[in-house]
Amino acid sequence: AQKVTQAQTEISVVEKEDVTLDCVYETRDTTYYLFWYKQPPSGELVFLIRRNSFDEQNEISGRYSWNFQKSTSSFNFTITASQVVDSAVYFCALSEARDNFNKFYFGSGTKLNVKP
Amino acid sequence: DAMVIQNPRYQVTQFGKPVTLSCSQTLNHNVMYWYQQKSSQAPKLLFHYYDKDFNNEADTPDNFQSRRPNTSFCFLDIRSPGLGDAAMYLCATSRGTSGSDEQFFGPGTRLTVL
Repeated sequence: AQKVTQAQTEISVVEKEDVTLDCVYETRDTTYYLFWYKQPPSGELVFLIRRNSFDEQNEISGRYSWNFQKSTSSFNFTITASQVVDSAVYFCALSEARDNFNKFYFGSGTKLNVKP
Repeated sequence: DAMVIQNPRYQVTQFGKPVTLSCSQTLNHNVMYWYQQKSSQAPKLLFHYYDKDFNNEADTPDNFQSRRPNTSFCFLDIRSPGLGDAAMYLCATSRGTSGSDEQFFGPGTRLTVL
């Protein structure tokens, strides 16, 4: 079974629109970690945020915000006032503390196209 | 700047001709990972090293091998590349193996098999 589901394969928006990328995860662990990474066309995955399972506070960083809801097993990512430079593939990932190492379970990614 | 470096960025090889991809890091991290990423797919973990301890994923083909001669360097060897091995290969590092340790990725090497 897929541990991380990103149902949106591709999203296109016009610059300055807000956009939300969905991430749903599945785990039996009580301690786990969720991540978002950005992969621009250059290929490098860039770390955006980490959230542990005990911290359900939403986080805002500039135009980026994250909504973590354990009740729905979701960790959604919103970009406010999108810009062309936000165009990339975004991956959500889960790491379970019971693993003997921090194996990342990646979602399949959401490709965001921001048009001028 | 501390970083994860991968060379070359683009590699072309022939079917069946061994190829080696390299990764180096200046972060002094204990753990190094190799991922394979095919077009429009998530990265797939091949193996990782914790220090000198090698850990292979169960479904990683024998065709893929790795070496870590020291903390800074890690190599991915593909003994007999097939057309299906054409992909982006990503190297990553993390400080430790705690679930909270984020992974830092290199820019990747795009492998073409002719």
